Amino acid sequence: DGGITQSPKYLFRKEGQNVTLSCEQNLNHDAMYWYRQDPGQGLRLIYYSQIVNDFQKGDIAEGYSVSREKKESFPLTVTSAQKNPTAFYLCASSAWTGTPQHFGDGTRLSIL
Amino acid sequence: DAKTTQPNSMESNEEEPVHLPCNHSTISGTDYIHWYRQLPSQGPEYVIHGLTSNVNNRMASLAIAEDRKSSTLILHRATLRDAAVYYCILGDDKIIFGKGTRLHILP
Repeated sequence: DGGITQSPKYLFRKEGQNVTLSCEQNLNHDAMYWYRQDPGQGLRLIYYSQIVNDFQKGDIAEGYSVSREKKESFPLTVTSAQKNPTAFYLCASSAWTGTPQHFGDGTRLSIL
Repeated sequence: DAKTTQPNSMESNEEEPVHLPCNHSTISGTDYIHWYRQLPSQGPEYVIHGLTSNVNNRMASLAIAEDRKSSTLILHRATLRDAAVYYCILGDDKIIFGKGTRLHILP
């Protein structure tokens, strides 16, 4: 079955460490997205990519970085510059920007 | 960026219809209206989308006002499994998710 896979489901980070969250899709979608969700809040866009080797900042890109070297993959790195990284991170993909998005099951990141 | 306005929460009785409203007065002519829902600790799930005409699928119906400045998601017969946060968003390059409407279903 086609879908979008995020790993790991839970991730713990020590202070000062960078961590990378994985997102893979086999839907042949051009567009991919990363969102952050804090408890009781809506989703906030971190980065999005409309096509391979291209990506744009969302509303809260500071302290995060991404790459899009392959159509299927859009990893997110949470750097040590992100001062409050504890959150639920969601990856999504769509045929192209503006079309319905398919979401992964999310990665919950916590600071030790 | 185009934005939407939804009530924070709504309640409905099980097996009754639910009408979830959304205002989007700054919608542009090419923006699709999308609805998603999110169950606890899961990613959002696509529900339905439309441009101008009313739309139906197996999950719900979408009624779009003639001036497109508002829309209503209709769940025809609510079940306990429909309790979730429902998001109404506009489909442009930078999709913005607000806080949505938390729907409570009373047994």
